Amino acid sequence: GENVEQHPSTLSVQEGDSAVIKCTYSDSASNYFPWYKQELGKRPQLIIDIRSNVGEKKDQRIAVTLNKTAKHFSLHITETQPEDSAVYFCAASPPNYGGSQGNLIFGKGTKLSVKP
Amino acid sequence: EPEVTQTPSHQVTQMGQEVILRCVPISNHLYFYWYRQILGQKVEFLVSFYNNEISEKSEIFDDQFSVERPDGSNFTLKIRSTKLEDSAMYFCASSDRGLAGVDEQFFGPGTRLTVL
Repeated sequence: GENVEQHPSTLSVQEGDSAVIKCTYSDSASNYFPWYKQELGKRPQLIIDIRSNVGEKKDQRIAVTLNKTAKHFSLHITETQPEDSAVYFCAASPPNYGGSQGNLIFGKGTKLSVKP
Repeated sequence: EPEVTQTPSHQVTQMGQEVILRCVPISNHLYFYWYRQILGQKVEFLVSFYNNEISEKSEIFDDQFSVERPDGSNFTLKIRSTKLEDSAMYFCASSDRGLAGVDEQFFGPGTRLTVL
């Protein structure tokens, strides 16, 4: 089955710097790659996603890149702010051959700390 | 904006007892999921549900677990005989593929299950 590896496990940056989190996946059939932000004690919230027919997607300070050949995708946060501090999870969704939507296989998470 | 809701927010139970966790997915969604997150660890897929039947389940989802959609709005996860290692945050999620093929899964706030 699908396996997602995520690095680094912790990341500390100064406010205003950029942060990059990287993930690799194993199942070449996976076709959907969301990133979730989870604040302490809260639900995971989708911040950006990318489908396998797209190489890059950007939403204000957040961007995601996908390299299908290498089976890796990355989250880029520019001009980081203290409120970006949270745990970020990447996920991959292999298609369900029964016809319904595939489940999400998550990475282990990256704890991002943005120091003012 | 519609949200997935879950009850209770916290459930404490004795080992060996049955628990039922309840979820109300977003009303027009067709795909439903349960995930769990042991404290400090990644989110793990348990089961997906579509068209009134299980689509996929993980190795975690053994015979002690069952899911049901008893009416048009609720989606439940039952653990028949709880074990200490079942202690975790349980998240319900729902999605609607729709015409655009959007795969975003919306997560509920979670139920923290503590097994004593």
